[in-house]
Amino acid sequence: DSGVTQTPKHLITATGQRVTLRCSPRSGDLSVYWYQQSLDQGLQFLIQYYNGEERAKGNILERFSAQQFPDLHSELNLSSLELGDSALYFCASSVEPLREKLFFGSGTQLSVL
Amino acid sequence: EDKVVQSPLSLVVHEGDTVTLNCSYEVTNFRSLLWYKQEKKAPTFLFMLTSSGIEKKSGRLSSILDKKELSSILNITATQTGDSAIYLCAVYSGGSNYKLTFGKGTLLTVNP
Repeated sequence: DSGVTQTPKHLITATGQRVTLRCSPRSGDLSVYWYQQSLDQGLQFLIQYYNGEERAKGNILERFSAQQFPDLHSELNLSSLELGDSALYFCASSVEPLREKLFFGSGTQLSVL
Repeated sequence: EDKVVQSPLSLVVHEGDTVTLNCSYEVTNFRSLLWYKQEKKAPTFLFMLTSSGIEKKSGRLSSILDKKELSSILNITATQTGDSAIYLCAVYSGGSNYKLTFGKGTLLTVNP
């Protein structure tokens, strides 16, 4: 158990809908990262938050947004969902300054039908 | 664009065999190379290699970084069925701009 908590574990929804994925980092970690994993693209970095502020942005679509709250939990919002958004979404946290040594949550499996 | 390529994509061995997984990279501003193990769902950290630490070992697993050849290998000796997983290689080329690029992984299956 990495100490990173993600909910829900599974999500099935229809095209055009909006969903929210939630993540709580390990106790004491200020950084939260969101990654998307699909069979063809592998693990892709979406966005990082550090202590409530956006710190780095990767291949995140405009339909997606995220935020980190004062208690350090984070939410990833996916809207106008398309079939191609079906993937495993991971949240991870790290101990600064080792931003590459990530502790991953178990992921949310999103299926868009 | 940063690139990380792993080979083979898939590997099936018998318990007790020794395996070598490969990772090559093309990145600007290399900082470190990492190996993660992904079984079931969440990737878990195995090793981090840098210019000042090019070889790491933990039990039956070991890894070497070759900065000249821009590559790394992950060796697993005396494999066990519990080693069955996807092994991910990632390269960090961060600095002011965070960039951790993952390869697509090697699926290792260890049969009894």
